[in-house]
Amino acid sequence: DTAVSQTPKYLVTQMGNDKSIKCEQNLGHDTMYWYKQDSKKFLKIMFSYNNKELIINETVPNRFSPKSPDKAHLNLHINSLELGDSAVYFCASTHLNGEQFFGPGTRLTVL
Amino acid sequence: ELKVEQNPLFLSMQEGKNYTIYCNYSTTSDRLYWYRQDPGKSLESLFVLLSNGAVKQEGRLMASLDTKARLSTLHITAAVHDLSATYFCAVDSNYQLIWGAGTKLIIKP
Repeated sequence: DTAVSQTPKYLVTQMGNDKSIKCEQNLGHDTMYWYKQDSKKFLKIMFSYNNKELIINETVPNRFSPKSPDKAHLNLHINSLELGDSAVYFCASTHLNGEQFFGPGTRLTVL
Repeated sequence: ELKVEQNPLFLSMQEGKNYTIYCNYSTTSDRLYWYRQDPGKSLESLFVLLSNGAVKQEGRLMASLDTKARLSTLHITAAVHDLSATYFCAVDSNYQLIWGAGTKLIIKP
């Protein structure tokens, strides 16, 4: 029973391509997040949705577009991929006490 | 703007020793979290500290929170190799967590 799942786990693609990452949680949480973790392990929040509504939209290029079809799903679409987009992307959802539960991560490599 | 600082950022220690990782934050919050990340893996929740004076223990790890000092500590007792990982603290602020940079802990046999 995976609590937060992401697909794909690995994504290798060429510069300029468009790609999507999917996230699903079965914890019944209302709030979900996307994070980017760079090579130095620093975690940067990108977006947060609460019950399908965008509540956090950090300074992220508008090539990144989140979509939440329902409160259990939060997908991330990236247009015109650049070398600097290479990173690990984590999805997370949050319990009422603020504790966040993370998905396994998607390692994106842009060539 | 809330800032979270961890120190040290890197720690190499011998098995059997004790050590403490510190997490300082800059503005008022009474909810703090510790996570562990193994290389190539996701983040795993270790401790949830929700009030001043909160103390939680799990095995050789103990976490505490002093909201007045804006300080949390993660204490490692009699370290073992399996505790080698990167440890993050995160502080709750307006529906999001503000993360420290992580402490990479290496425990040598």
